[in-house]
Amino acid sequence: GPKVLQIPSHQIIDMGQMVTLNCDPVSNHLYFYWYKQILGQQMEFLVNFYNGKVMEKSKLFKDQFSVERPDGSYFTLKIQPTALEDSAVYFCASSPPGGRSAETLYFGSGTRLTVL
Amino acid sequence: GDSVTQTEGLVTLTEGLPVMLNCTYQTIYSNPFLFWYVHYLNESPRLLLKSSTDNKRTEHQGFHATLHKSSSSFHLQKSSAQLSDSALYYCALSDQTGFASALTFGSGTKVIVLP
Repeated sequence: GPKVLQIPSHQIIDMGQMVTLNCDPVSNHLYFYWYKQILGQQMEFLVNFYNGKVMEKSKLFKDQFSVERPDGSYFTLKIQPTALEDSAVYFCASSPPGGRSAETLYFGSGTRLTVL
Repeated sequence: GDSVTQTEGLVTLTEGLPVMLNCTYQTIYSNPFLFWYVHYLNESPRLLLKSSTDNKRTEHQGFHATLHKSSSSFHLQKSSAQLSDSALYYCALSDQTGFASALTFGSGTKVIVLP
């Protein structure tokens, strides 16, 4: 089936540094998402993105977070600066255009971010 | 805000036995969309079932679930578990239809099927 690719699968950085998580969504999809999962907890919505803009964001989407998808390339999540509480698995997802099919999310396998 | 409750954190059962995973939800919206996602080890979470129709059974790959708005439930069932069903199962809720709204996930149920 359709695949969402996330690069890298693991990332270790020092607190205060910047990190960019990359996502290659399914090619004809128009809606893009980031979810955060702290170890042992549920996946939590961060942000969704459509037509070059953030549509919704949660309280978890702090000012240090930003997303973009320049010219149909990777959909990225940037955290600058990082904090210890940003350690988690970040899942990217995408969904097809229009109607009820937009509600079926296709997830990547996640990027495990460790902030030291 | 919305919430999803999965009461079992871990379910261990023997191959061939039936399995039921509980999912209840809370939302102020009258037309929620409910989902079950399955997450196999070293893979991506993927959609297993979804429904927004009250009291209608939906089935896929031997699993079935029925949305009951009266009890705010969307339990997942399978009549005969297989070894390959061992995975994490997440119930999720969307409070809008036909629009890419945020999903609220439950905490997940880990299913281990033993021979």
